[in-house]
Amino acid sequence: ETGVTQTPRHLVMGMTNKKSLKCEQHLGHNAMYWYKQSAKKPLELMFVYSLEERVENNSVPSRFSPECPNSSHLFLHLHTLQPEDSALYLCASSPQKSFNYGYTFGSGTRLTVV
Amino acid sequence: KNEVEQSPQNLTAQEGEFITINCSYSVGISALHWLQQHPGGGIVSLFMLSSGKKKHGRLIATINIQEKHSSLHITASHPRDSAVYICAVRSLGGYQKVTFGTGTKLQVIP
Repeated sequence: ETGVTQTPRHLVMGMTNKKSLKCEQHLGHNAMYWYKQSAKKPLELMFVYSLEERVENNSVPSRFSPECPNSSHLFLHLHTLQPEDSALYLCASSPQKSFNYGYTFGSGTRLTVV
Repeated sequence: KNEVEQSPQNLTAQEGEFITINCSYSVGISALHWLQQHPGGGIVSLFMLSSGKKKHGRLIATINIQEKHSSLHITASHPRDSAVYICAVRSLGGYQKVTFGTGTKLQVIP
């Protein structure tokens, strides 16, 4: 366990479903991130939250909707996804919004869209 | 072309071998990270470098800022080292973009 917990570990959903991914950290970190990892592609940053405010949104389609109710929890709400959205979704946290502090990653949610 | 290139993409080694994984980048950076991703998906940070060399157990990471190149070495490799090793850099400047390589998949055979 790294201190960043993601649930569920695996998710299969239809294109018309609505589901949510959850990330939780109790490391006292102020920044949290959602990354997408597709096969044979580099990690892609989706969203960054710093002190519960969204500070980056990297041109992510609106069918992905993040929510950060407090500094320990981060959600990714999913609706009307496409098969190409199938990937590993990783949550990470860091003490501050800076790569120099290092990231702590969760184990990811393996999402399959059918 | 990705700003961060890793080689090789795949590597198979016998237990006990000395392993080198390379990372080249094309932008000015303030920091470089080596990360390890196990088959389950979770990612662990191994090293953060801005210059020189760092050692942790059987792992050694080096960086040459002038040549824009870093290497990760594993001495006396073991099957439990089997994982994907990812290089990531933070670019200089106000935006401080973080770019990841596609990873090197290492398999160490007993």
